[in-house]
Amino acid sequence: QVQLQESGPGLVKPSETLSLTCTVSGYPISGGYYWGWVRQPPGKGLEWIGSMYHSGSTYYNPSLKSRVTLSVDTSKNQFSLNLKSVTAADTAVYYCMRLNTVLSSCMDFWGQGTLVTVSS
Amino acid sequence: SYVLTQPPSVSVAPGETARITCGGDNFGSKTVHWYQQKAGQAPVLVIYYDSARPSGIPERFSGSKSGNTATLTISGVEAGDEADYFCQVWDASSDHPYVFGTGTKVTGL
Repeated sequence: QVQLQESGPGLVKPSETLSLTCTVSGYPISGGYYWGWVRQPPGKGLEWIGSMYHSGSTYYNPSLKSRVTLSVDTSKNQFSLNLKSVTAADTAVYYCMRLNTVLSSCMDFWGQGTLVTVSS
Repeated sequence: SYVLTQPPSVSVAPGETARITCGGDNFGSKTVHWYQQKAGQAPVLVIYYDSARPSGIPERFSGSKSGNTATLTISGVEAGDEADYFCQVWDASSDHPYVFGTGTKVTGL
């Protein structure tokens, strides 16, 4: 069974960089599929942040593209999110997920999510 | 950017049928997926490719699409089905290929 687990600081100061890592077990990241991030501000809906392939190919939500970087470490079976110059509007639960390109690009496995608060 | 509209809430008595709609432009060219999110939990895929059901999802969950509207139907609603439901489209031709609907809260009467 594929499992994903987010890790990283739960509190980030305004203007700093939010950094999260997703550790995958039960499936090698290099085995195919895309991997990515979705966030959910408290009490609000879901927003796709970006996705990447193990080769390093990435694509981002246009509204966040200037601040987001995704990267992968296949040796650790992990991928990461960096979001720079954060503000209170970036406070959200951040989920990592697998994008199943065989099943019409649905998000078939998700991490449990981690709350990141932007505050001084 | 592309907008998917869902009703904010749907109330249904146990054992009855809940229908959740998702509306958007030019749906015919897009693939729709549905997710269930219970309070404090991560989303779970319940329908993919408009109407396909992942393994482990009960048969009472079904999906359909007609014109510019997709519908998630929950037949014989159970108490455990109370959750938020989000539709999501994949548009391979867009620079923003993954858009979520506004979400619908399903509650029991």
